[in-house]
Amino acid sequence: DAKTTQPPSMDCAEGRAANLPCNHSTISGNEYVYWYRQIHSQGPQYIIHGLKNNETNEMASLIITEDRKSSTLILPHATLRDTAVYYCIVKAANYGQNFVFGPGTRLSVLP
Amino acid sequence: GAVVSQHPSRVICKSGTSVKIECRSLDFQATTMFWYRQFPKQSLMLMATSNEGSKATYEQGVEKDKFLINHASLTLSTLTVTSAHPEDSSFYICSAREQSPNEQFFGPGTRLTVL
Repeated sequence: DAKTTQPPSMDCAEGRAANLPCNHSTISGNEYVYWYRQIHSQGPQYIIHGLKNNETNEMASLIITEDRKSSTLILPHATLRDTAVYYCIVKAANYGQNFVFGPGTRLSVLP
Repeated sequence: GAVVSQHPSRVICKSGTSVKIECRSLDFQATTMFWYRQFPKQSLMLMATSNEGSKATYEQGVEKDKFLINHASLTLSTLTVTSAHPEDSSFYICSAREQSPNEQFFGPGTRLTVL
């Protein structure tokens, strides 16, 4: 079973920031928070991941709470092409663990 | 990031035939590859994990004799759906893991339709 909880769907206006929340209250100390997204009929695309500190890359920012029980993915200026299902996954860095996908959040960016 | 390719991207076949899907890591060596299945409006479900040169490990409920996995080299894994039936119609996605720095990359998926 997925160890994360996400809202099933969200809307965002084009050009505005999209803030996608994720709860992972049972996260272990060695587990990272990963975000992937899946555009319709494509494979999952890596977005970002982090352990404790906030992370930023060219696609998004990841804000992790101090207790690590929740996080928020921020797309600073959403475009129509960001419409996708966004998956928040917690996974240890050790070699043996797989990615377990939950239902994710369906983000619709509206013109 | 590294690239994982799948071939074919979509296939339509008749019931009872077998279909082979290839997954390749294009610019890295993947010691482990994963096969997922995704039904419409559902999330990805892991089917099996394969390590190069050894037998695949299947998830509970996935028939190993129906979904044959071969991982003969560090850059290629194949999934063969034997005696396909309409209920096998799905989106099949592979993923490849690079040992160092232990990152995992997903392929674009293969849409299988069994008539």
